[in-house]
Amino acid sequence: DQQVKQNSPSLSVQEGRISILNCDYTNSMFDYFLWYKKYPAEGPTFLISISSIKDKNEDGRFTVFLNKSAKHLSLHIVPSQPGDSAVYFCAASVSGTYKYIFGTGTRLKVLA
Amino acid sequence: ETGVTQTPRHLVMGMTNKKSLKCEQHLGHNAMYWYKQSAKKPLELMFVYSLEERVENNSVPSRFSPECPNSSHLFLHLHTLQPEDSALYLCASSQEALAGQKPYEQYFGPGTRLTVT
Repeated sequence: DQQVKQNSPSLSVQEGRISILNCDYTNSMFDYFLWYKKYPAEGPTFLISISSIKDKNEDGRFTVFLNKSAKHLSLHIVPSQPGDSAVYFCAASVSGTYKYIFGTGTRLKVLA
Repeated sequence: ETGVTQTPRHLVMGMTNKKSLKCEQHLGHNAMYWYKQSAKKPLELMFVYSLEERVENNSVPSRFSPECPNSSHLFLHLHTLQPEDSALYLCASSQEALAGQKPYEQYFGPGTRLTVT
């Protein structure tokens, strides 16, 4: 049973518009969430994280929102740029453990 | 070299072969990880080493054997693999997770694309 789900395998967005990537989780013990970006032939790279004590974290064009009651997080990219085209993974963890549970990823394509 | 490196980048092996994957991190981290990524599946954590001791072993078949000789190097020894073991194998490193503290983000290598024939 997948504890972290990314239900949209792909998303296309026009350059300059907002990209919204979604992630749902089932385990209420998760208290730390991360987003990774992966280009072809490269490993995932860390993008942004959020602790469960917050509901929003912002870093430049990237904002992550956390809705604990809905067990849902989202990544907003605004404005989207063609270089943002990649596969985005969300991951969840419990503080003090080494275990990260990853979603299956969403492939974002930003159209010029 | 910077970051996390993995060799080889591609590997084709027969089911009776023995091979090893190598990972090296240049970030001063003290935890290292092996993940498996199969098509259309989430990254699956295989093994975790912290301060050169194995702290996680996620029910991985014994045909996969990890080794961590020091905090900068991690190996995955492979023998008598099956075709379904074909996947991208990713190594990652991080600072050690301490009880009660937030987890540290992991830094990944580029992966080894393994094909078992």
